[in-house]
Amino acid sequence: AQKVTQAQTEISVVEKEDVTLDCVYETRDTTYYLFWYKQPPSGELVFLIRRNSFDEQNEISGRYSWNFQKSTSSFNFTITASQVVDSAVYFCALRVPWGSSNTGKLIFGQGTTLQVKP
Amino acid sequence: NAGVTQTPKFRVLKTGQSMTLLCAQDMNHEYMYWYRQDPGMGLRLIHYSVGEGTTAKGEVPDGYNVSRLKKQNFLLGLESAAPSQTSVYFCASSYRRNNEQFFGPGTRLTVL
Repeated sequence: AQKVTQAQTEISVVEKEDVTLDCVYETRDTTYYLFWYKQPPSGELVFLIRRNSFDEQNEISGRYSWNFQKSTSSFNFTITASQVVDSAVYFCALRVPWGSSNTGKLIFGQGTTLQVKP
Repeated sequence: NAGVTQTPKFRVLKTGQSMTLLCAQDMNHEYMYWYRQDPGMGLRLIHYSVGEGTTAKGEVPDGYNVSRLKKQNFLLGLESAAPSQTSVYFCASSYRRNNEQFFGPGTRLTVL
């Protein structure tokens, strides 16, 4: 069975602190895709990153970085020097591979609410 | 490009009423999806489409119907609304099956 666990329900930090959001996934497939989405208070879901299972290189985009480790089935997300505008709910998601009963389905974690205080 | 748009943004229905939610995308994406988001439940897939004229059931399809008559549009219908269908509905689309899904702004539906 596929599953995504975001154990941190809520995190509160002060502006300029670094913060890491954890994501642990379960799947028996050798080919899979992982995603991070941001849901700000306005409600829309904003795509942040996609990673396939064959690419374990860490990625950095500005203040955002992602650490993908297949050995621990984790895909953690770090925000460096957090800002108030980073306050949002962050979702990690796993994509079910083609051929299963729910093609294209994204399995979402429960989300982590990040509050960045000034 | 407008990306993925949804109509309406908010709606209040009485039990038993029907309505249609419209999703439109201008990115020429083949795949389209309807999700619902409920507190503590995350996002769950209702129905999806892999191309014009095709639809398939997701994990929570009961009480909903969909149609994809045009490539750019994906309609979600509630024939007889129930309070359990109170939720936020998101439409999404992707170019190919393994690509990232882009989401619309959501429709907040309340069924009294």
